[in-house]
Amino acid sequence: GQSLEQPSEVTAVEGAIVQINCTYQTSGFYGLSWYQQHDGGAPTFLSYNALDGLEETGRFSSFLSRSDSYGYLLLQELQMKDSASYFCAVRDREYNFNKFYFGSGTKLNVKP
Amino acid sequence: EAQVTQNPRYLITVTGKKLTVTCSQNMNHEYMSWYRQDPGLGLRQIYYSMNVEVTDKGDVPEGYKVSRKEKRNFPLILESPSPNQTSLYFCASSTGLASYEQYFGPGTRLTVT
Repeated sequence: GQSLEQPSEVTAVEGAIVQINCTYQTSGFYGLSWYQQHDGGAPTFLSYNALDGLEETGRFSSFLSRSDSYGYLLLQELQMKDSASYFCAVRDREYNFNKFYFGSGTKLNVKP
Repeated sequence: EAQVTQNPRYLITVTGKKLTVTCSQNMNHEYMSWYRQDPGLGLRQIYYSMNVEVTDKGDVPEGYKVSRKEKRNFPLILESPSPNQTSLYFCASSTGLASYEQYFGPGTRLTVT
């Protein structure tokens, strides 16, 4: 089966750096993506890694190691508005169709 | 404005009463999907569609039906809702095979009593 594991909750202070890890077990791995969801809102896409290495988008970076089945989301210069839940997701190819699997989410609490 | 819309946003219903949650996107996306979100379980895919008349089961399809007669619409049908289908439902769309970026609708909070 497919499974993704990420910490349930992380707390950090404003201005700091935080890393949210994600380990996965899937067949036919197609890439790791990250989504942000504020309370009461819809998930919004943050980043995606298909190949090993670091992808940077402003204050957010995402890393993937396919050999370790591991990735992380790095948030720098934390702001209060970054308080949200963060989900990793994999796209898994199966029988010429495509399914998405999400982790259970990491709730990030940013404190002043 | 590019968007995914869902209706209704909130729904309280009783066990066994058929209901439909509509989903529509205006981005000409090929791929559409339904998810349910429950505390501690993240998002779980119910059904997805690669294009018109092409649908397939996700991880938790039991008790749900979908159809894709037009590219823009992807309704979710609960023919006989049960209390364990009380959840927050999201519709999403993306451009298709090469895309990893899904655009989510605002969600539908369903309560089945």
